[in-house]
Amino acid sequence: GENVEQHPSTLSVQEGDSAVIKCTYSDSASNYFPWYKQELGKRPQLIIDIRSNVGEKKDQRIAVTLNKTAKHFSLHITETQPEDSAVYFCAASPGGGADGLTFGKGTHLIIQP
Amino acid sequence: DAGVIQSPRHEVTEMGQEVTLRCKPISGHDYLFWYRQTMMRGLELLIYFNNNVPIDDSGMPEDRFSAKMPNASFSTLKIQPSEPRDSAVYFCASSRTGGLAETQYFGPGTRLLVL
Repeated sequence: GENVEQHPSTLSVQEGDSAVIKCTYSDSASNYFPWYKQELGKRPQLIIDIRSNVGEKKDQRIAVTLNKTAKHFSLHITETQPEDSAVYFCAASPGGGADGLTFGKGTHLIIQP
Repeated sequence: DAGVIQSPRHEVTEMGQEVTLRCKPISGHDYLFWYRQTMMRGLELLIYFNNNVPIDDSGMPEDRFSAKMPNASFSTLKIQPSEPRDSAVYFCASSRTGGLAETQYFGPGTRLLVL
């Protein structure tokens, strides 16, 4: 089955700086890669996703890149703000999302004021 | 839209008791997923349904766990008998097929504590 590795487990950045979280996956059949943000005690919420026919996707301060050959994808957050502090999860799915997601272990992002 | 609804939000029970978690997916969604979240194992897929039919239950930990979806608007996850290691947050999520609408939307979760 699919295996998703996520790094780092904790990331502390100064407010206004950029943050990068990286994930690798094992199943070359995976074609859908969402990123979820989870605040303490809350549900995971989708912040951005990318499909295997696209190399990069941006949404305001958030961007995701995908390298299918190397089987890795990354989340980039620019101009970080205090409200970006949360746990971020990457995930992969071979079914375009109409399939169970395999999640990474999560990255605790801390924005230092 | 009310989003995915789960009940109860919190459940405290004693080892050996039966626990039933409930989920109502978003109207019109034909996929329903059950996930479990713990500090040690992170977010794990337990089982998912398509059009009320179980598609993949390989993540169900053991025979003490069972899930049903009797209709398009209701699913249950049952643990019998419960054990302390079942303590976790259980999330239900739903999505619909077609186009770019495969996003899985999560419910608020049920926080289960087995004493």
